[in-house]
Amino acid sequence: AQSVTQLDSQVPVFEEAPVELRCNYSSSVSVYLFWYVQYPNQGLQLLLKYLSGSTLVKGINGFEAEFNKSQTSFHLRKPSVHISDTAEYFCAVISPYSGGYQKVTFGTGTKLQVIP
Amino acid sequence: SQTIHQWPATLVQPVGSPLSLECTVEGTSNPNLYWYRQAAGRGLQLLFYSVGIGQISSEVPQNLSASRPQDRQFILSSKKLLLSDSGFYLCAWMGARELFFGEGSRLTVL
Repeated sequence: AQSVTQLDSQVPVFEEAPVELRCNYSSSVSVYLFWYVQYPNQGLQLLLKYLSGSTLVKGINGFEAEFNKSQTSFHLRKPSVHISDTAEYFCAVISPYSGGYQKVTFGTGTKLQVIP
Repeated sequence: SQTIHQWPATLVQPVGSPLSLECTVEGTSNPNLYWYRQAAGRGLQLLFYSVGIGQISSEVPQNLSASRPQDRQFILSSKKLLLSDSGFYLCAWMGARELFFGEGSRLTVL
């Protein structure tokens, strides 16, 4: 079984301030880790993903995330946020392909509100 | 390149009416397909997934159903809508190592 926990449902932050959105996961097997962003009334867009290799992953729009296996975390960070970063962010884990169905588990989402 | 389309983008339906949301994928074959729902203020709920034509698995029992009549077509249906069916419906397909989403369909049941 696998699960994803996003502890913060809402995160307000002032423009140009740094932000960290937290994500913890549990799984009995190795998984791929993802962060998606959703703007109002739109589908989900991939921000970044960790498949293997370097634990620091850089994504679009200046975001990065660090995979920490010992703490089973994949926190998302940005050193300086912009008004346009206001959106909902979802952490997800996907089980590696082994033929047939790939299980996908999403967190409950974190709404980032950037304050001018 | 692969693309995924959903329609209609917006739908307003009375309680008890039928529903049909369609999703098509281009540029790939035999994809794993998914239907998710987002209710207001809630996260993503997996409704159905399909690993091939005619193969549908349901994650949550409800008055919705799904069908996959063609390799790259995934349809979400209902015979009689409930108020609780309102929400934002997302279709997705699984690439090699990533889930790709459609633009979504917003359903309001009145």
